[in-house]
Amino acid sequence: GESVGLHLPTLSVQEGDNSIINCAYSNSASDYFIWYKQESGKGPQFIIDIRSNMDKRQGQRVTVLLNKTVKHLSLQIAATQPGDSAVYFCAEKSGGYQKVTFGIGTKLQVIP
Amino acid sequence: EAQVTQNPRYLITVTGKKLTVTCSQNMNHEYMSWYRQDPGLGLRQIYYSMNVEVTDKGDVPEGYKVSRKEKRNFPLILESPSPNQTSLYFCASSPASHTDTQYFGPGTRLTVL
Repeated sequence: GESVGLHLPTLSVQEGDNSIINCAYSNSASDYFIWYKQESGKGPQFIIDIRSNMDKRQGQRVTVLLNKTVKHLSLQIAATQPGDSAVYFCAEKSGGYQKVTFGIGTKLQVIP
Repeated sequence: EAQVTQNPRYLITVTGKKLTVTCSQNMNHEYMSWYRQDPGLGLRQIYYSMNVEVTDKGDVPEGYKVSRKEKRNFPLILESPSPNQTSLYFCASSPASHTDTQYFGPGTRLTVL
């Protein structure tokens, strides 16, 4: 919703540039990671996922990088468009459990 | 159309008045979950259910109840709402595997006065 974007780290990017959104996760036992996009007034929407036995995965215009050594996840968006403006969340799951832990999110603002 | 639906979308109530937020999915998913979203705190898991009659606490279960009598429905019950439960609530579902992504409903904005 519209209040979700308050108090969040914000990344402002010029249209056409590449965006990099970072996430530090908490549980070293987590073995599955997901990036979600949330537009104003809507629920989170899946973008891309990665398992812990990988360090990179590519989708359409998006790439996720995983560094397990420092428990860091990043989402790269190529050629950022105005429609990419949203709040982006990383989420982690650990094997054998169904609990999901989300990061606090990053607001991406695309400047036309 | 495959979707997760929630009702109501908006609700204003008073402290202590029991309420239920319904959640339904038409994808035959086994896993369902409830989250609350608050500014600066992101999404926090309240309860989840791995299958019918199987529910478990998430990170912030206090003040909430859930039930899973049928596969498609997973209502969230606030027996005695308090102002600190004012929040944006999301229901989500996914197929059984723990690596499956979740599909989120549109959200329910609850205000407890």
